[in-house]
Amino acid sequence: DTEVTQTPKHLVMGMTNKKSLKCEQHMGHRAMYWYKQKAKKPPELMFVYSYEKLSINESVPSRFSPECPNSSLLNLHLHALQPEDSALYLCASSQGYGQGVETQYFGPGTRLLVL
Amino acid sequence: AQSVTQLDSHVSVSEGTPVLLRCNYSSSYSPSLFWYVQHPNKGLQLLLKYTSAATLVKGINGFEAEFKKSETSFHLTKPSAHMSDAAEYFCVVSKGGGGNKLTFGTGTQLKVEL
Repeated sequence: DTEVTQTPKHLVMGMTNKKSLKCEQHMGHRAMYWYKQKAKKPPELMFVYSYEKLSINESVPSRFSPECPNSSLLNLHLHALQPEDSALYLCASSQGYGQGVETQYFGPGTRLLVL
Repeated sequence: AQSVTQLDSHVSVSEGTPVLLRCNYSSSYSPSLFWYVQHPNKGLQLLLKYTSAATLVKGINGFEAEFKKSETSFHLTKPSAHMSDAAEYFCVVSKGGGGNKLTFGTGTQLKVEL
């Protein structure tokens, strides 16, 4: 089973709200990723967690705050977002990170609209 | 450094005819290459991957791709298109020799007409 799940599927929030996106995998993968995808564009990497530690932050604004509570879960906490942050947020996981090339498996995404 | 170029932003085919989506790559390392498909309002699904084993790679749903080092290409093909193949396709390269950062092409929108 190569399933990554994400909740919620859709989210509408105001610029002063605080919300969280959730991602879960039960494949025993030890690397998890957040991507942002704007319409008609490829995904852009935001964060990488390897063994529950943040390995990469691609200069993402601090209004996005990732969290990896355990090896199966990945959260993205959102606060004071801007309308230009509206996008599809994709989570992915792979067996490992940094040990060679690992296939990344993607979730269905959360479509976020910031008003 | 690595990069990938998808030569066509849009491809339109008739149902039952062959599909060819073109991808060229550039990599300082021995690359690993992937094709992902994204249906409207969905996540990315892995179609197939090349990781220096056989140069002809078979994927899901009848798709295959051939790695040609001399041409630095990794084109995606399918003998007969189906309406359900209409989607966005991304060619992706990953650095070999360690590290798992993906470099995405800009995508090819495949339209399948009756």
